[in-house]
Amino acid sequence: EVQLVESGGNLVQPGGSLRLSCAASGLTLSDTCVTWVRQAPGKGLEWVGHIKSKIDDYGTTDYAAPVKGRFSISRDDSRNTVYLQMNSLKSEDTAVYFCASGKKDFVSWGQGTLVAVSS
Amino acid sequence: DIQMTQSPSSVSASIGDRVTITCRASQGVANWLAWYQLKPGKAPKLLIYGASNLHSGVTSRYSGSGSRTDFTLTISSLQPEDVATYYCQQGNSFPPTFGQGTRLEI
Repeated sequence: EVQLVESGGNLVQPGGSLRLSCAASGLTLSDTCVTWVRQAPGKGLEWVGHIKSKIDDYGTTDYAAPVKGRFSISRDDSRNTVYLQMNSLKSEDTAVYFCASGKKDFVSWGQGTLVAVSS
Repeated sequence: DIQMTQSPSSVSASIGDRVTITCRASQGVANWLAWYQLKPGKAPKLLIYGASNLHSGVTSRYSGSGSRTDFTLTISSLQPEDVATYYCQQGNSFPPTFGQGTRLEI
């Protein structure tokens, strides 16, 4: 059974940084595209970015316009974990952040981790 | 970006009812359309992919149809465990985009 577990969410001040982790069991993350999706309070789902599999474009990353230049996604194959590094955080980044497997549709998801950006 | 518009935004139905949720894309997305179920505090669940393919382990009470710009998710006989918010998502064009969600209540 595939299980994805996010961690690292916290309360952070505007302008601060945070790193989220997405750890997997039952799935080798380097063999799949891993996507980050967020849900702001009372809002819908928003695609944040992804890191492609190693055989797909050598594991390159793409980002949504609102986070490009501030967020970066990386992968540690030895830990079977994907990371979302979030810098220059803004209040509008407050959301539950989910990781999911897949590029065009998202098969397995974690339960999410809450990021709150507030002074 | 492709805009995905769901209707209704919320629906209340009774146990055993047939429920239909629609999703319209601002441009054609071929059949790259997925449906997800979200419950508070739980991992989102893929229900339908490729517009009409039932994901493994999902009850056959769920079905999807449509192509290009107009899609439908149908629950054939509503059960209490179906209370959730449902989202459509297109994967045909970058970036992937979601509908605004449909809250289903009993």
